Amino acid sequence: AQTVTQSQPEMSVQEAETVTLSCTYDTSESDYYLFWYKQPPSRQMILVIRQEAYKQQNATENRFSVNFQKAAKSFSLKISDSQLGDAAMYFCAYRSGGYTGTASKLTFGTGTRLQVTL
Amino acid sequence: DSGVTQTPKHLITATGQRVTLRCSPRSGDLSVYWYQQSLDQGLQFLIQYYNGEERAKGNILERFSAQQFPDLHSELNLSSLELGDSALYFCASSVGVAGGRPYEQYFGPGTRLTVT
Repeated sequence: AQTVTQSQPEMSVQEAETVTLSCTYDTSESDYYLFWYKQPPSRQMILVIRQEAYKQQNATENRFSVNFQKAAKSFSLKISDSQLGDAAMYFCAYRSGGYTGTASKLTFGTGTRLQVTL
Repeated sequence: DSGVTQTPKHLITATGQRVTLRCSPRSGDLSVYWYQQSLDQGLQFLIQYYNGEERAKGNILERFSAQQFPDLHSELNLSSLELGDSALYFCASSVGVAGGRPYEQYFGPGTRLTVT
């Protein structure tokens, strides 16, 4: 079974600075997808960024980018120019590449709470 | 706004009771997933439906059941409720195999269930 580990329960960053959230995963599969979801105090789960394992290029979405190291099974999220609105819980998630059985389910890490200070 | 709707937003009920949570997926999405978020278990996959049929089961208790209707909305039924069932229940939807990015899931706002 796949596992996702987020070893940083809490992180803090000053406004306008850059912060990196860590995520490692364990899988024997070669085809999979990785995601970062943001959960603000409203509790809504918001998809921030996705990475297809077959792509070597790291995904980027505006101020959010990832560092995907497939061999090391590492998938970190970098937030640049941090804003107060970035304060939230961030979850790393794994999805298998298939569409049968439980392949489509998301397996989540335990989350990292990000605080943004002035 | 993800386009996924869930009702009700909050539900307070007593132990032993039965409740139904409702989810409407994004327009065009065929797959619906149910997840439970609790303090001790984190975010866990419960069950998936695809175009009206059960596709996959996760850590779903026998007291829980779900279905997806012809209009693609889904309901999660929780019965014989226990204090430990108190959690945030999310519904998510995806396109399925047909198109777009079928591997992406978009979440509804969740239903907060409190069992007293």
